[in-house]
Amino acid sequence: GNSVTQMEGPVTLSEEAFLTINCTYTATGYPSLFWYVQYPGEGLQLLLKATKADDKGSNKGFEATYRKETTSFHLEKGSVQVSDSAVYFCALSKGPAGGTSYGKLTFGQGTILTVHP
Amino acid sequence: DAGVIQSPRHEVTEMGQEVTLRCKPISGHDYLFWYRQTMMRGLELLIYFNNNVPIDDSGMPEDRFSAKMPNASFSTLKIQPSEPRDSAVYFCASSPSILASGTDTQYFGPGTRLTVL
Repeated sequence: GNSVTQMEGPVTLSEEAFLTINCTYTATGYPSLFWYVQYPGEGLQLLLKATKADDKGSNKGFEATYRKETTSFHLEKGSVQVSDSAVYFCALSKGPAGGTSYGKLTFGQGTILTVHP
Repeated sequence: DAGVIQSPRHEVTEMGQEVTLRCKPISGHDYLFWYRQTMMRGLELLIYFNNNVPIDDSGMPEDRFSAKMPNASFSTLKIQPSEPRDSAVYFCASSPSILASGTDTQYFGPGTRLTVL
């Protein structure tokens, strides 16, 4: 079945540091890949997505590239801010080719990021 | 757009009581999802609907849990009887039809924090 594995957290960084959160996946075919972010006390919200190999998703200074050869979708940001402190979830969706699984997201376990001033 | 609306935001109840969580999806979205989030188990998909019809309820933990979607703008998740181990944050999410929108992004509500004493 489908699965998503994220790097273990929590991750603690100083402001302006470089961020990488690793994500690898297992799925047949060509899933869509997502990063969702959950700020304290809130629901998840989409951060970025990529729908095919070599696509790069980007938003708010965050980037992730869909690497089919390594089945990875690592999240990066060049300079983190205190306001980026949140839980980050990698996820995949099989899309229309998923048949009865269409629309269903498979989430990783989440990575807690804390950024200190 | 108001986004996904959930009520109540917080619920405290005693073991054995019936609990009903409510969700209003974004207008025009064809898919509705119920998730449960705990520290121990992370984010779990409980059930999802397409055009008001349950598609996959394999994540529903046991018969004490039931979900309904009587129309396109309302869904409920009911726990009867509730137990302390049901304490969690319950999220509702909705998604448009990819055929209509070209995306399978899910939009999450703010969640209901349930505490069963």
